Amino acid sequence: RKEVEQDPGPFNVPEGATVAFNCTYSNSASQSFFWYRQDCRKEPKLLMSVYSSGNEDGRFTAQLNRASQYISLLIRDSKLSDSATYLCVVMKTSYDKVIFGPGTSLSVIP
Amino acid sequence: GAGVSQTPSNKVTEKGKYVELRCDPISGHTALYWYRQSLGQGPEFLIYFQGTGAADDSGLPNDRFFAVRPEGSVSTLKIQRTERGDSAVYLCASSFGAGELFFGEGSRLTVL
Repeated sequence: RKEVEQDPGPFNVPEGATVAFNCTYSNSASQSFFWYRQDCRKEPKLLMSVYSSGNEDGRFTAQLNRASQYISLLIRDSKLSDSATYLCVVMKTSYDKVIFGPGTSLSVIP
Repeated sequence: GAGVSQTPSNKVTEKGKYVELRCDPISGHTALYWYRQSLGQGPEFLIYFQGTGAADDSGLPNDRFFAVRPEGSVSTLKIQRTERGDSAVYLCASSFGAGELFFGEGSRLTVL
């Protein structure tokens, strides 16, 4: 089983839609969680950290369920500029390797 | 420069040749990571440095791959006897401690 798995996608949604991505991780000792965004042929960039209580940044909401080893990202009111690949990222401890999931591709259509 | 710099940006080589890829991290960043990314896949972990030492090299696929960071700053990923399956984008990232990873633009390796 891979350490981090994500919805395979791709997701094709109209502008204004709400879309949710799911991610599961296999190592129950994992402590830190993130969502990164990667535009086509560009490097990944941090979108947001994921906190135990859940957190929101504008149109983006991240949730963590430690019992189920599950992370989610919700995007409300999708914009064309949200089109990208979203990468789920997990760290076991603060000074440990950083593992990326395979990514979920999102296309927001006019 | 202010960001992570990787050279070369593109490298085309023949099967069996030796390749070196260089990463110059953000000044002061103690952690440095190497990843490999193929089309349609997420970044695959290769090796992680804290300072000069390799803290975790469990992602290196075999002994043809080796990486160094002799002075705790610039790192070089070395690939011996390249194979066609080594073709990918090699990404380097740095961070200060356990903070956000900042990536370079990658080195695209093509093995003919």
